Amino acid sequence: DIQMTQSPASLSASVGETVTITCRASENIYSYLAWYQQKQGKSPQLLVYNAKTLAEGVPSRFSGSGSGTQFSLKINSLQPEDFGSYYCQHHYGTPPTFGGGTKLEIK
Amino acid sequence: EVMLVESGGGLVKPGGSLKLSCAASGFTFSSYAMSWVRQTPEKRLEWVATISSGGSYTYYPDSVKGRFTISRDNAKNTLYLQMSSLRSEDTAMYYCARRALTGDYFDYWGQGTTLTVSS
Repeated sequence: DIQMTQSPASLSASVGETVTITCRASENIYSYLAWYQQKQGKSPQLLVYNAKTLAEGVPSRFSGSGSGTQFSLKINSLQPEDFGSYYCQHHYGTPPTFGGGTKLEIK
Repeated sequence: EVMLVESGGGLVKPGGSLKLSCAASGFTFSSYAMSWVRQTPEKRLEWVATISSGGSYTYYPDSVKGRFTISRDNAKNTLYLQMSSLRSEDTAMYYCARRALTGDYFDYWGQGTTLTVSS
């Protein structure tokens, strides 16, 4: 199975800051990577798929990049509603596997 | 509006069985493959099962293969997960998720139902 490794595991930032979360795949997954946001007590929501395509309704301050084994999710000008956990997931075949998550907290 | 509403979770003893349901609305259920994804108490996400739109094909990770069975009733817009030989490591929040049309990612998730396996 493809292993997905996220970093950092946790991150503190202030409203208005820009943050970047990274995700590394154990093998080449081309651009088959998705990002999800999960707020406390809620289910995950799709943010990005195919590494850089924003899901419907996702604000443009979110951007995804990368290919192969290295990926990142960048959030410009953090808003209060952006705090929560973020997960990457490869969608290059079965089984799809997830990263361990990054918890983004308010500084 | 796409809605996925899970039910059926609960407390089960090791070795026991349970069946989860997911009622879907707001989209053409029969056109989409559907999946179950679980989140452990440590917040790790794990894919559990996928079923094709028509129900003919099913896919599982090795961790649940032979113990879990995913099924669907397209006439009732409902997805199921039959779980047997349950173990403590199956304890998790179970989410019903819609597989996207264009890839093995999940574009909508339900609110989840909790399974606890404990004696």
